[in-house]
Amino acid sequence: GAVVSQHPSWVICKSGTSVKIECRSLDFQATTMFWYRQFPKQSLMLMATSNEGSKATYEQGVEKDKFLINHASLTLSTLTVTSAHPEDSSFYICSASLGQGSNQPQHFGDGTRLSIL
Amino acid sequence: AQTVTQSQPEMSVQEAETVTLSCTYDTSESDYYLFWYKQPPSRQMILVIRQEAYKQQNATENRFSVNFQKAAKSFSLKISDSQLGDAAMYFCAFHVGGSWGKLQFGAGTQVVVTP
Repeated sequence: GAVVSQHPSWVICKSGTSVKIECRSLDFQATTMFWYRQFPKQSLMLMATSNEGSKATYEQGVEKDKFLINHASLTLSTLTVTSAHPEDSSFYICSASLGQGSNQPQHFGDGTRLSIL
Repeated sequence: AQTVTQSQPEMSVQEAETVTLSCTYDTSESDYYLFWYKQPPSRQMILVIRQEAYKQQNATENRFSVNFQKAAKSFSLKISDSQLGDAAMYFCAFHVGGSWGKLQFGAGTQVVVTP
């Protein structure tokens, strides 16, 4: 149980296009999901916290208009990289918790490798 | 603000041997949780072990165990009887209690397992 699916796993697109990444909790409801960004050989950096039915909470330094997050249902959160440029190329990972309790671990998706040409 | 420090960029261990990864953290919170995650080349994040700060007993999970020193704010991971499949990047992570699971990660330690 507790499977998080992320799609697509790899996307290559031209500079200036927008890219949408989906994060789904397959067998549980996730009120809160998280979006991370990881550069090669570096750690995961939290970008934003996605809450179902409300606006996402962005970390300092993350552009809200650049990285649009929508959490329309209890099983789906999407991250849209708008007008993507080569510097947006990175590995994006989502995660979801089973519940609000602090003893609930996060479950991660397999990540999306984004390459902007 | 919380910080998590992993001072070892890479550790090498022979198969069947033991390796210990260090992690220190800084926080003023009293209710928090500590984790070790494994990220193999596939890049999927896999939870290895978890420790609640209020528990004095060190967590263990098969070949993986932690040495949690709360006063020193230290949380090291010991991998016993290392296997080739243990080769991965290991991240120490911190989570403040009641914060909906927001994780702060360390820089990571690359574990290399040699036959």
